[in-house]
Amino acid sequence: GAGVSQSPSNKVTEKGKDVELRCDPISGHTALYWYRQSLGQGLEFLIYFQGNSAPDKSGLPSDRFSAERTGGSVSTLTIQRTQQEDSAVYLCASSLRIIAGVSYEQYFGPGTRLTVT
Amino acid sequence: KNEVEQSPQNLTAQEGEFITINCSYSVGISALHWLQQHPGGGIVSLFMLSSGKKKHGRLIATINIQEKHSSLHITASHPRDSAVYICAVGRGSTLGRLYFGRGTQLTVWP
Repeated sequence: GAGVSQSPSNKVTEKGKDVELRCDPISGHTALYWYRQSLGQGLEFLIYFQGNSAPDKSGLPSDRFSAERTGGSVSTLTIQRTQQEDSAVYLCASSLRIIAGVSYEQYFGPGTRLTVT
Repeated sequence: KNEVEQSPQNLTAQEGEFITINCSYSVGISALHWLQQHPGGGIVSLFMLSSGKKKHGRLIATINIQEKHSSLHITASHPRDSAVYICAVGRGSTLGRLYFGRGTQLTVWP
């Protein structure tokens, strides 16, 4: 079946512009995660969704970052007034669900490489 | 201090060698994940485990909950195993999110 897809695969934008990154999770997966991988850095958590709600937004680095999910499926990560330090690979993952005490495998998308010039 | 520490940071091996990558963590976990990231960035989940040992082909993952330590072993390594291997943990107290190690860059020469 289809895996997690992300678009665009690459995005070059000028400092100060807004960008939208899209994630299509695996069909039927209720949990969706956004991560960021900066050059030479490890992966860092940004936000996760359970259905359309985001119980944990603690990883969003600033109020310029926001995310939403509609219909329990597609999610959009929006970065307003982009800065050069926002340049990174943004990865999306999905899992079947999230239940306390139970761990589920996460399936990753190919990522969106964002370059802010 | 990162909650998840991996070693070594870089590892070079000759084809056929036995590889071990280590992961230590400092918090209570619900599960530990081993991920593989190839050049080009795609991440694949190799294992998810909360106790004992799992094996898939030439890959073996073990975890010792008491010692807060996990190892990833690759037997009969091959150049196609060259990738970054990432350890990540899930915590019951912060449902859903993963905490990542910095990764181990493995290069296997023919």
